[in-house]
Amino acid sequence: DAKTTQPNSMESNEEEPVHLPCNHSTISGTDYIHWYRQLPSQGPEYVIHGLTSNVNNRMASLAIAEDRKSSTLILHRATLRDAAVYYCILWGAGGTSYGKLTFGQGTILTVHP
Amino acid sequence: GAVVSQHPSRVICKSGTSVKIECRSLDFQATTMFWYRQFPKQSLMLMATSNEGSKATYEQGVEKDKFLINHASLTLSTLTVTSAHPEDSSFYICSARRISGANVLTFGAGSRLTVL
Repeated sequence: DAKTTQPNSMESNEEEPVHLPCNHSTISGTDYIHWYRQLPSQGPEYVIHGLTSNVNNRMASLAIAEDRKSSTLILHRATLRDAAVYYCILWGAGGTSYGKLTFGQGTILTVHP
Repeated sequence: GAVVSQHPSRVICKSGTSVKIECRSLDFQATTMFWYRQFPKQSLMLMATSNEGSKATYEQGVEKDKFLINHASLTLSTLTVTSAHPEDSSFYICSARRISGANVLTFGAGSRLTVL
C-alpha cells in the first residue's frame, strides 16, 4: 500500500486558518486522497477527498499538488471543536484493496483559544 | 447522511467470557464493513474485512477463531471476541462502505472493551 507522511503534531489559534500537509510520493494514478479526523474516544469522521483537482466542502478544502505527491488539508477558520487527529489516507480505486483504509499516525491538531 | 451505529459503546467483561459487538448501517446498505482496533495513543489497525454473505477476510496476525465476524445482512456485521483476555482490551471501531455513491467510509462511534 502506498504510504503517507504527516507531521506528528501542529498547533493553531482559534479563528485562524490551518494547513495540514501530507506527503504521498508513491501514490498511484488511481489512488484517491482521503482525509478523516478522529476526536477523542470517537470513531473517525470523513472530512474530504479528491483525486486530482482541488476540492472544497463545508468542512474544509483540499489542495492537491500537480504531481499528486503531496496534498494539504485547509481548515479556513479553526475552532476548538476542530482539535483532533487528522489522517491523510490513500484509497485504492479497485481490486481487493478497495475501501481498505490503512491509517498512519496522523497529525494531532491542537487549537488554542 | 450515512450513519453507522455500534453497540455497545462500552463493555466490561471477565476474562474468559465472550463479547459481541454490533455494527449497523442505519440508512444505507453495505456489502462491505471493516473492523479496526485501536490501542491507547495509537492509530487504527485494520483487523478484518467483513463481506455480506461470505467469510470475513482477516489481516495478517489477527486470529480468526478469536475474533469471529458475521455479516449476515446488508446492514449488520458483528464482531465476537471469544474467550477475552485483558490484552484484548481495546477500542473497536467498525466502518461501512455504501453499495453505491461516493467512495467514502462511514465509521461507527466505537466500542470500548475492558477485560478484567
